[in-house]
Parts: sequence; structure tokens; C-alpha cells
Amino acid sequence: EVQLVESGGGLVKPGGSLRLSCAASGFTFSSYTMNWVRQAPGKGLEWVSSITSSSDYIFYADSVKGRFTISRDNAKNSLSLQMNSPRAEDTAVYYCARARIESLGTGAFDIWGQGTMVTVSS
Amino acid sequence: EIVLTQSPATLSLSPGESATLSCRASQSVSSYLAWYQQKPGQAPRLLIYDASNRATGIPARFSGSGSGTDFTLTISSLEPEDFAVYYCQQRANWPITFGQGTRLEIK
Repeated sequence: EVQLVESGGGLVKPGGSLRLSCAASGFTFSSYTMNWVRQAPGKGLEWVSSITSSSDYIFYADSVKGRFTISRDNAKNSLSLQMNSPRAEDTAVYYCARARIESLGTGAFDIWGQGTMVTVSS
Repeated sequence: EIVLTQSPATLSLSPGESATLSCRASQSVSSYLAWYQQKPGQAPRLLIYDASNRATGIPARFSGSGSGTDFTLTISSLEPEDFAVYYCQQRANWPITFGQGTRLEIK
């Protein structure tokens, strides 16, 4: 079964740090661009970051650039998001998502994890 | 940044009726537009990719159309399980952006 399972969410103080993980199974993880998408309580979806299959290209939303770092370990089928200096506005459910393989650009997100909640509060 | 504007914000319909949801882009995204369905407490699910292609396992009552800046998701003969929030997303340019969502509710 194709599956993504996030972990690492919880309560973090503003200015602290937190590392989210996403474990992939059931597909060739190393072939896919992977992504993080978040959703603040009661709000819509916001793309956070993407990393290509070999980590050649990495992209961030302006809202997290310089504070968050995406990485992957293809040998361990794992995706991570290191959150440094989080702010109250980073409070959200964080989803990892797989992008379809396309000949041009990053594909639509066809597989999603169940999400992990991050609360930034003192 | 490409802004996606979805309309209406809320759509109230009855099972068996057809739903038409709109997504307008602030600049051309060619056909690089996707639609997602999200139910309360669940992750989003991909319905349509590249404007008109149904994702794996998506029923034929879901269809997408459009190109450039104007896109439509049509759900023919609504089933009870179709009442949810729907988002469009563009992958034409970085940053990837989502629309604000359309809530499809039971009338």
C-alpha cells in the first residue's frame, strides 16, 4: 500500500525548534519530488516547501524561507522538515505529499499523509 | 505569485443536482491546474490533474475543464459523500499556490 506517515508534531515555543518527519512506503521514494503543505486551523491549504527526487532543487514559500529546511534520505525513504524560529502563525497541520512524476515541472500532489499538528505557543 | 480565486465561496445544493465550481488564475497557468477534495479531519485527495485528467480511482461524475486563466470543476449528480471543501492548485510557476476553497454543502 502506498503510504505517507508524518510524525514529530507537537507544542513548540516561539523561537524554538521542531523537526517533522514523513515515512514513505509502498512506492519508489527516490523517484518522486516530495512536498510539505500546511493548513492553519479553519483555514485553507498553503504550500510550504518542495524537494526534487535527488535533492537537486529545493523550493520554499516566502513565509518560511530562512527558517525552515526541507531534506530527504532516499536510503531511508524519509522526508523531513526542520522548523527553526517558529512563529505563532506557523501553527497548522503539516502534511507531506508526493508529487506526480511529470515531464515538465512538479506534478500535482497525488498521495498525502494524514498530517501532524504543530502548535507554536508560549 | 499566481493568485487563484475560487467561486463561489459556498455552494448549497441537493444530492442528485450538478455542481459547477470555478477557479480563476491571476495569470495563465496553461493546463497546470489541479483540483482536490477535503473532508473534515481528512487530508486532501487529488481529483483532477492538468485541468481535465481524473486521478486514479476518481468517479466519472467528476470532470475538469479550462485552460489559461479560467477553470471549472463539474460534479454531475451529487452523491452524499461529495459534500466537502474543494481546492484548486497551480503548478505552472513557483511558488505553488492554492485557491481559498469552495465549500459544497447540502441544501
